[in-house]
Amino acid sequence: SQQGEEDPQALSIQEGENATMNCSYKTSINNLQWYRQNSGRGLVHLILIRSNEREKHSGRLRVTLDTSKKSSSLLITASRAADTASYFCATLRSYNTDKLIFGTGTRLQVFP
Amino acid sequence: GAVVSQHPSWVICKSGTSVKIECRSLDFQATTMFWYRQFPKQSLMLMATSNEGSKATYEQGVEKDKFLINHASLTLSTLTVTSAHPEDSSFYICSARVETSGDEQFFGPGTRLTVL
Repeated sequence: SQQGEEDPQALSIQEGENATMNCSYKTSINNLQWYRQNSGRGLVHLILIRSNEREKHSGRLRVTLDTSKKSSSLLITASRAADTASYFCATLRSYNTDKLIFGTGTRLQVFP
Repeated sequence: GAVVSQHPSWVICKSGTSVKIECRSLDFQATTMFWYRQFPKQSLMLMATSNEGSKATYEQGVEKDKFLINHASLTLSTLTVTSAHPEDSSFYICSARVETSGDEQFFGPGTRLTVL
């Protein structure tokens, strides 16, 4: 399978704590994207990091990319109950720029 | 941002019937749309790439005669699940790529299909 792996599969934290999710992938990529999905809903695009970038910030989100290890991490700082959702990484491969390959996802639960 | 809609949001049908799901880009034109399938608590699996004015490209293992895709205009792609069976019950999500925004894809809200 070309699907990426994410860990942990599930994460439970208290409001105010930081949440870190990791993503590993298998092929050379053009970019890596993170999405959020609330239960039974569509996906919301969070952030995109290109293969020549190492770190990117957007509000409370911080994404890192290590192409030598084929891995990425998403850090959510000062989490809120509203951050409760599933988070997926998705890669756009270098040799096929149309298809997004999704990771297995991390289910985040933030308790108030 | 760009908005993608899907209709219906949920559908229940009897085994053997066909179901059509629509995916529309509301405020932009999309030459390429994508159809994904998601089982409960699992990730999204790409089923096919829908190209306006041409045949869809299906991923390995996806039956093109069972999952008919039509991309008749720059704002509409349809997925028809033919002769649906209970194992086709799933969450179907479409997305559209906005060519002017680079590689970002915008996703529809999904359609929950339940086949009895």
